[in-house]
Amino acid sequence: NAGVTQTPKFRVLKTGQSMTLLCAQDMNHEYMYWYRQDPGMGLRLIHYSVGEGTTAKGEVPDGYNVSRLKKQNFLLGLESAAPSQTSVYFCASSFQGANTEAFFGQGTRLTVV
Amino acid sequence: AQKITQTQPGMFVQEKEAVTLDCTYDTSDPSYGLFWYKQPSSGEMIFLIYQGSYDQQNATEGRYSLNFQKARKSANLVISASQLGDSAMYFCAMRGVNTGGFKTIFGAGTRLFVKA
Repeated sequence: NAGVTQTPKFRVLKTGQSMTLLCAQDMNHEYMYWYRQDPGMGLRLIHYSVGEGTTAKGEVPDGYNVSRLKKQNFLLGLESAAPSQTSVYFCASSFQGANTEAFFGQGTRLTVV
Repeated sequence: AQKITQTQPGMFVQEKEAVTLDCTYDTSDPSYGLFWYKQPSSGEMIFLIYQGSYDQQNATEGRYSLNFQKARKSANLVISASQLGDSAMYFCAMRGVNTGGFKTIFGAGTRLFVKA
């Protein structure tokens, strides 16, 4: 009964380093999302995917890349981390359509120093 | 463009009383869904309630109800008989079907404090 699993849960990066956040879901959801959560700004959509092999930009895509090579996985990459990318990152997934809720992972707290 | 606005950064309510958390939205999609999520201090996101844009009746789930006023583009969450465990951040969210591209967007959230 895993649902949505994010790895890692915590990470500290130095400015300029790269990393990949992994999101895996076992609910056969078509849609997957990456959000960042910052104080006072709610959850802002970074990138999302409506199916295997497809991705699209959200509200704040700059500095991030994503890939969805398999339906169950959605990867978020930071090529050159910046302190402004210090945040809590959430992955979510859902079935298609406007009437189904999203299921969230536990979040990844990323600090860029 | 789609937008969710939550104008109450923080709210206080006395235990056992009802509280309304405001949410207004903007969309050009003819069909959309509205959602509320709870985020306790532990950080996880918990789905509470859903309202479809074509639903004739307001959604209810236990102590949660959604006051949906389509003409005003508002979808306020009402929590009845507040409990100490209701203290958390609450987020309003929306997903459109057409121009929204099926992406789910969130408001900035309202932090609810329940007083004993």
